[in-house]
Amino acid sequence: DSGVTQTPKHLITATGQRVTLRCSPRSGDLSVYWYQQSLDQGLQFLIQYYNGEERAKGNILERFSAQQFPDLHSELNLSSLELGDSALYFCASSALDSPYEQYFGPGTRLTVT
Amino acid sequence: DAKTTQPNSMESNEEEPVHLPCNHSTISGTDYIHWYRQLPSQGPEYVIHGLTSNVNNRMASLAIAEDRKSSTLILHRATLRDAAVYYCILSLMDSNYQLIWGAGTKLIIKP
Repeated sequence: DSGVTQTPKHLITATGQRVTLRCSPRSGDLSVYWYQQSLDQGLQFLIQYYNGEERAKGNILERFSAQQFPDLHSELNLSSLELGDSALYFCASSALDSPYEQYFGPGTRLTVT
Repeated sequence: DAKTTQPNSMESNEEEPVHLPCNHSTISGTDYIHWYRQLPSQGPEYVIHGLTSNVNNRMASLAIAEDRKSSTLILHRATLRDAAVYYCILSLMDSNYQLIWGAGTKLIIKP
């Protein structure tokens, strides 16, 4: 158990809908990272937050947004969903403003029908 | 983008050492080398990272070539629980050291 929790575990929704994925980092970790893992793309870095502020952006679509709250939990919002957004979404956390040692949650499997 | 090249899959016998190779010929002087692994149906798990010198921790050893164009992850005594996809990853100074993931090596452990 990495100490990172993600909810929900599974999510099935229709195209055009909006969903919110939630992540609670390890106790004391200030950095949160979001990743997307699909069969054809592998693991793709989406976005990083450090202590409530956006720190780095990767291949995140404009339809996706994220935020980190004062209690350090984070939410990833996916809107206008398309079939291609079906994937595993992982959240990871680290203690510092550094990606060197990240702890990953179990993931949320999103299926868009 | 700096990229890593790994074998698609490798097999090893239980309780024997495993050497997982990785090529990163375009690495620059400030890029770190990381290894993560992903067990079936789980999120990735940090294994080890380094810059220039060889590194050891409780999970594995990382041997980095002198020119840094390749590295090897060494599992000293593989168990069935080590069966996973192993990712060799670079973090680039130019991208705020975010991890650039490749396809990984699927390690199969034979009992």
